[in-house]
Amino acid sequence: GAVVSQHPSWVICKSGTSVKIECRSLDFQATTMFWYRQFPKQSLMLMATSNEGSKATYEQGVEKDKFLINHASLTLSTLTVTSAHPEDSSFYICSALPGEVRSGNTIYFGEGSWLTVV
Amino acid sequence: DAKTTQPPSMDCAEGRAANLPCNHSTISGNEYVYWYRQIHSQGPQYIIHGLKNNETNEMASLIITEDRKSSTLILPHATLRDTAVYYCIVRGTNQAGTALIFGKGTTLSVSS
Repeated sequence: GAVVSQHPSWVICKSGTSVKIECRSLDFQATTMFWYRQFPKQSLMLMATSNEGSKATYEQGVEKDKFLINHASLTLSTLTVTSAHPEDSSFYICSALPGEVRSGNTIYFGEGSWLTVV
Repeated sequence: DAKTTQPPSMDCAEGRAANLPCNHSTISGNEYVYWYRQIHSQGPQYIIHGLKNNETNEMASLIITEDRKSSTLILPHATLRDTAVYYCIVRGTNQAGTALIFGKGTTLSVSS
């Protein structure tokens, strides 16, 4: 299947600093990418939808000024956690939708990125 | 999207078939059934999806009932590496550009 890569796989940062996570579609173009967050023993929670060349759409309760999403190209979306706090520590996962939007498309997921804020 | 109901957990012996049920009684005619799994500390892995007909690939088979109100994911010969959380998700054609919404899934434990 198609490959979606995230970097870094894990990161530790100090409270108050910002950290960037990259999501790349390696063998296809993705006009739409999605960002999720997952806390231990919980399911994935959608944070935002990222469309290439336009502003991201955030889910209710997700602070857009804290979680900055940029989708500058058809193969790259980035999530920046600004002024990180310990409660932002989580597993962040991106996914990408290949090619043109049509019914029955398969969405592929990255390996996830562990963020620990100390 | 229609809601799905899955048992919270299931056990399976290694080498046996694992049959994971999913109820989606409110599914509409244009909604696909998708199956993903998540092995601990990894991103979800696509398994299979279907609309009406049964589907099979190298990983699994998907059996959808004639009324489409339920489906079963079949792992024909489960191995220890198949231990994971399995998610059944329905998604409509009118939401082709929208994200997959995850429920709690079924935790499958395969033991030797």
